[in-house]
Amino acid sequence: EVQLVESGGGLVQPGGSLRLSCVVSGFTFSSYSMNWVRQAPGKGLEWVSYIDSISSSIFYADSVKGRFTISRDNAKNSLFLQMNSLRAEDTAVYYCAIGADVAYWGQGTLVTVSS
Amino acid sequence: DVVMTQSPLSLPVTLGQPASISCRSSQSLVYSDGNTFLNWFQQRPGQSPRRLIYKVSNRDSGVPDRFSGSGSGTDFTLKISRVEAEDVGVYYCMQATHWPPYTFGQGTKLEIK
Repeated sequence: EVQLVESGGGLVQPGGSLRLSCVVSGFTFSSYSMNWVRQAPGKGLEWVSYIDSISSSIFYADSVKGRFTISRDNAKNSLFLQMNSLRAEDTAVYYCAIGADVAYWGQGTLVTVSS
Repeated sequence: DVVMTQSPLSLPVTLGQPASISCRSSQSLVYSDGNTFLNWFQQRPGQSPRRLIYKVSNRDSGVPDRFSGSGSGTDFTLKISRVEAEDVGVYYCMQATHWPPYTFGQGTKLEIK
């Protein structure tokens, strides 16, 4: 069974940092690209970032470019999102999702940016 | 960026009746290899999104056959042949042809009348 478990969310002040993690099981993590997608409270889905299987291709949404960094550790079946210079508008549930076709999603982790 | 426009945004449906959601893209979603990367997702209340349909019309494993996807170019449709109570939630289309970025529709909230 494919499982993705996000963690690392929480309350942070504007300008602060957080590092999200996503641990996956049930598939060959090192063979798949991965994505982060977020959902602000009561809003729709917004793609955030993509990383290919060997970390050679990385893309970001314009809204987070220069502030967020995606990475992965294939030996630990883990995906990460380092979020710096956080803003109130970054408040959202952050989901990790498998593959360029975004086939499977985790349960999400809530990030709240507020003073 | 490709803009995805869904309609309606709210869809009240009687149990057992059909439902249809439209998704239109601001440009053709046909990729250079001939594939069309248009997905449909269901998000039940309090849950994470679940992919239902990929590449326009392919149902994911475990998805009931009352769900079907169709369309081409810029116009796509998700149909539910007979709505059940468990179908309540928000449905999103998403394009993965012209990326980055992947872009989603605004979402269609399906509720039972």
